[in-house]
Amino acid sequence: DTAVSQTPKYLVTQMGNDKSIKCEQNLGHDTMYWYKQDSKKFLKIMFSYNNKELIINETVPNRFSPKSPDKAHLNLHINSLELGDSAVYFCASSQVAAVGLETQYFGPGTRLLVL
Amino acid sequence: KNQVEQSPQSLIILEGKNCTLQCNYTVSPFSNLRWYKQDTGRGPVSLTIMTFSENTKSNGRYTATLDADTKQSSLHITASQLSDSASYICVVIEGNNNDMRFGAGTRLTVKP
Repeated sequence: DTAVSQTPKYLVTQMGNDKSIKCEQNLGHDTMYWYKQDSKKFLKIMFSYNNKELIINETVPNRFSPKSPDKAHLNLHINSLELGDSAVYFCASSQVAAVGLETQYFGPGTRLLVL
Repeated sequence: KNQVEQSPQSLIILEGKNCTLQCNYTVSPFSNLRWYKQDTGRGPVSLTIMTFSENTKSNGRYTATLDADTKQSSLHITASQLSDSASYICVVIEGNNNDMRFGAGTRLTVKP
């Protein structure tokens, strides 16, 4: 019973390609997130999204776009991939929209390598 | 400069020993502080969440402390096990906008 799942687990692609990473949560949570973990292991939030509001970290290039077909899914689409996009991308979910005291549940991560 | 600094960067201990990881932050205003455990190749898992008024919180062999005056937190692991080998990440939630500020983590290795 995986709470937050991501596909694919590994993604190797060429510079300039467009790719998508999928995320699904079966916890019934209202809010989902995308994080990027760089080579120095810093986790940086990219987006948070519930059915009412998309909050974008202003440092995220507009080549990245979240797409949510329903409350249980938040996919990450990346256009024109660049070498610097290589990282591990984590999806997460939480019960409520505000990051107050509720616990976030993370997926296993997608390791993206851009050649 | 990162607003959440963790030390040490890495730590190796023998199984059964105790250890303490440190987290200093400058995030203000403060909402809450979290410790996560991240196994290699996995997503982070929440260990504790502490608010301004909480000084200590335990989760099994993990005990987190918080001194909101000095803006310091620690994570103490008692009677370490091989499965404790992981990265431990300190996260501070900013009070105004709920932004999450992540530390770089401490890489703990427990050896038999």
